[in-house]
Amino acid sequence: EPEVTQTPSHQVTQMGQEVILRCVPISNHLYFYWYRQILGQKVEFLVSFYNNEISEKSEIFDDQFSVERPDGSNFTLKIRSTKLEDSAMYFCAMGQASSYEQYFGPGTRLTVT
Amino acid sequence: DAKTTQPTSMDCAEGRAANLPCNHSTISGNEYVYWYRQIHSQGPQYIIHGLKNNETNEMASLIITEDRKSSTLILPHATLRDTAVYYCIVSYTHGNKLVFGAGTILRVKS
Repeated sequence: EPEVTQTPSHQVTQMGQEVILRCVPISNHLYFYWYRQILGQKVEFLVSFYNNEISEKSEIFDDQFSVERPDGSNFTLKIRSTKLEDSAMYFCAMGQASSYEQYFGPGTRLTVT
Repeated sequence: DAKTTQPTSMDCAEGRAANLPCNHSTISGNEYVYWYRQIHSQGPQYIIHGLKNNETNEMASLIITEDRKSSTLILPHATLRDTAVYYCIVSYTHGNKLVFGAGTILRVKS
């Protein structure tokens, strides 16, 4: 099973600050996703990204969120001005063009104070 | 996206087969059935998927009814490490989002 790496594992930030969460791409994996899970709740889809553009985004993914993968490097999720309710585990996932499954990273725990 | 219905929780004795049911009566013809699990607060882990035929891999077997309205995930010899939340998800092929429900909490007991 491909191993997805996310950094940092835990991020503490103050409300209103910007955070960037990173995901290291796996070779041959072209589909990228971000999901989040608020403590005790379901895993929620945020955004999918393919061929350097957003394929789909959820209602959660508003103007405060952005994703990019500059020059084939890390896949990042940026939250411009964090709110208390952004506190959650954020999972990156990847998929290959030739297969159907998504592989998830261990997550970044974001705590907004 | 088709919705799925799963029991809230199940118990299974260690070494026995765990059979986790899922109803997906509104599944469309080209939607696949995926199973993932989440151990504690780790990232979800892919288990298996299928379209209409039964599938088996090193982790589990997936039995899909002929009308495709329900399926069963089978862990043939459950271990304590299989204790997790198991999610049955219906989705299209690669590139599509996964919509997670509450899943089934499987507790494997010694």
